[in-house]
Amino acid sequence: DADVTQTPRNRITKTGKRIMLECSQTKGHDRMYWYRQDPGLGLRLIYYSFDVKDINKGEISDGYSVSRQAQAKFSLSLESAIPNQTALYFCATSDTTSNYGYTFGSGTRLTVV
Amino acid sequence: DQQVKQNSPSLSVQEGRISILNCDYTNSMFDYFLWYKKYPAEGPTFLISISSIKDKNEDGRFTVFLNKSAKHLSLHIVPSQPGDSAVYFCAASWSGNTGKLIFGQGTTLQVKP
Repeated sequence: DADVTQTPRNRITKTGKRIMLECSQTKGHDRMYWYRQDPGLGLRLIYYSFDVKDINKGEISDGYSVSRQAQAKFSLSLESAIPNQTALYFCATSDTTSNYGYTFGSGTRLTVV
Repeated sequence: DQQVKQNSPSLSVQEGRISILNCDYTNSMFDYFLWYKKYPAEGPTFLISISSIKDKNEDGRFTVFLNKSAKHLSLHIVPSQPGDSAVYFCAASWSGNTGKLIFGQGTTLQVKP
């Protein structure tokens, strides 16, 4: 099994729909992150969590929410999807001693039509 | 405000030659820099890093150079191989940022046989 598993891998949804992207990790790390990748913009941080009770907004959190259900699980929700949320979404995890090295999942390609 | 910039969206190099990928940053607080490599349909994977107390770090064919006065770092791949063809992301962080990484836009490297 992969260290960081994201589901679904691909999703097409309609404008206005609620959608949840899920992430689970087997690394035993406390820290988890959600990024989105857009062409020409690189990876931008949406939300991050340093433990189950600690949730923080990143640079582009508007329109998104997250839930840290357990140390191993961190889900990202789009409450009412819009077309400019079409992107590749990555979950990542890190520990506190890895000199900031992240382990990424394989990504979820989301298309909002 | 793009704090980490990779101004070359793409680079094409002949197999066996040197690949040089560049990255500039604006935040003088950054004290740790990383390079990630990403293949299609996969998440980014950690490649090499450098602390601001160093100006060079080498790992096999990969060397990262840091010029703090110019706020510039570069990744050298020697010799380049077709399997190095991927998107390369530069990332930066600082100790006051509690582990969050700021990524550049990415550079797509193509190594031609």
